[in-house]
Amino acid sequence: AQSVTQLDSHVSVSEGTPVLLRCNYSSSYSPSLFWYVQHPNKGLQLLLKYTSAATLVKGINGFEAEFKKSETSFHLTKPSAHMSDAAEYFCVFSSGAGSYQLTFGKGTKLSVIP
Amino acid sequence: GAVVSQHPSRVICKSGTSVKIECRSLDFQATTMFWYRQFPKQSLMLMATSNEGSKATYEQGVEKDKFLINHASLTLSTLTVTSAHPEDSSFYICSAREGQGRPEQYFGPGTRLTVT
Repeated sequence: AQSVTQLDSHVSVSEGTPVLLRCNYSSSYSPSLFWYVQHPNKGLQLLLKYTSAATLVKGINGFEAEFKKSETSFHLTKPSAHMSDAAEYFCVFSSGAGSYQLTFGKGTKLSVIP
Repeated sequence: GAVVSQHPSRVICKSGTSVKIECRSLDFQATTMFWYRQFPKQSLMLMATSNEGSKATYEQGVEKDKFLINHASLTLSTLTVTSAHPEDSSFYICSAREGQGRPEQYFGPGTRLTVT
């Protein structure tokens, strides 16, 4: 079965400190993996994607993620949190086959403390 | 690029009436569009997959006669909630995929439906 697990439902960091949002996946195939961000009452914005090219992926707003096949992980990081980063983050998986349906993690709420 | 719009952003309707939500890809042609539903503080739940010019594929448990989906062109898909009930109140989000071989989806801003 294919699935994605976000290990933390809520992460709280101080402004200016590093951000780490954890995601593990389970797949029999080479996956495509994404991180999306959702601000309150808004749609989802694509932060970055991994589609079997470089394992270290750089996204928008200073975020990056590293695909580690040996650990089946795709953790999202940012060196220095900004107040505007406070939002819900979803790790998303696509098997890359058929209709390319997305499987969503349950989400991690990031709070940034001034 | 890759902008998806939804209209309306908010709608309030009375029980028993129908409401239509539009999803448009503004700067690309979307061969496939998706409709999701999101409950408060929860993740997105896929309702249906819509391919241009063909019938939508509904996920298990989603009533196709209640949630009518039309994808008449490469830039427009509509979701009509028929005979709405208060339990249909939710945040509905559409997304679009740009073409074959590209798995990422671009999401609209969502529509908040409240049924009174």
